[in-house]
Amino acid sequence: DAMVIQNPRYQVTQFGKPVTLSCSQTLNHNVMYWYQQKSSQAPKLLFHYYDKDFNNEADTPDNFQSRRPNTSFCFLDIRSPGLGDAAMYLCATSRGQTSNQPQHFGDGTRLSIL
Amino acid sequence: AQSVTQPDIHITVSEGASLELRCNYSYGATPYLFWYVQSPGQGLQLLLKYFSGDTLVQGIKGFEAEFKRSQSSFNLRKPSVHWSDAAEYFCAVGALDSGYSTLTFGKGTMLLVSP
Repeated sequence: DAMVIQNPRYQVTQFGKPVTLSCSQTLNHNVMYWYQQKSSQAPKLLFHYYDKDFNNEADTPDNFQSRRPNTSFCFLDIRSPGLGDAAMYLCATSRGQTSNQPQHFGDGTRLSIL
Repeated sequence: AQSVTQPDIHITVSEGASLELRCNYSYGATPYLFWYVQSPGQGLQLLLKYFSGDTLVQGIKGFEAEFKRSQSSFNLRKPSVHWSDAAEYFCAVGALDSGYSTLTFGKGTMLLVSP
């Protein structure tokens, strides 16, 4: 089945130690998104790619970066994680061209900071 | 800018009883509307969507939702809840003019199902 896959499902890192989360998709969608979701809150969009065009949300901390080397893969890099960055990180994709396409989500990566 | 309000943080329903989860949106035109469900530790799964046409839309798992323009609402319903429906439910509105999907989520409603 075509899907959005996030690895790892659980990630533990130390305070200040860089960490990378990965997302891959077999849907061949143009758009890939990264969301941060804290406990009992709605997903918060961090940034997204339309093909290779990167779009950063205005309030996304500089600590967060993203890379999309090809259509299938997208990475979230957290350069110096703080305790406040502990959260679920969700990757999603959608087909571009029209704005009524639904977003398809992966199962997320739960990030813990020691 | 668009916004979504889900007024109920938690709802408890007995198994077999009917369910209605409320969603109100704010948008300047007829929006694209979505309901997603999230089970613990999982990503979001699309239940149903509304773009245009029939205001009553059917989704997966026996859910339906009705778009009411006059009330700016898109409430989710299910006639008989199963224990496996216990999860968090998010209503989302999509902007029309971005050229691709951009969603604004409500804060979610946690559904608890009692035996």
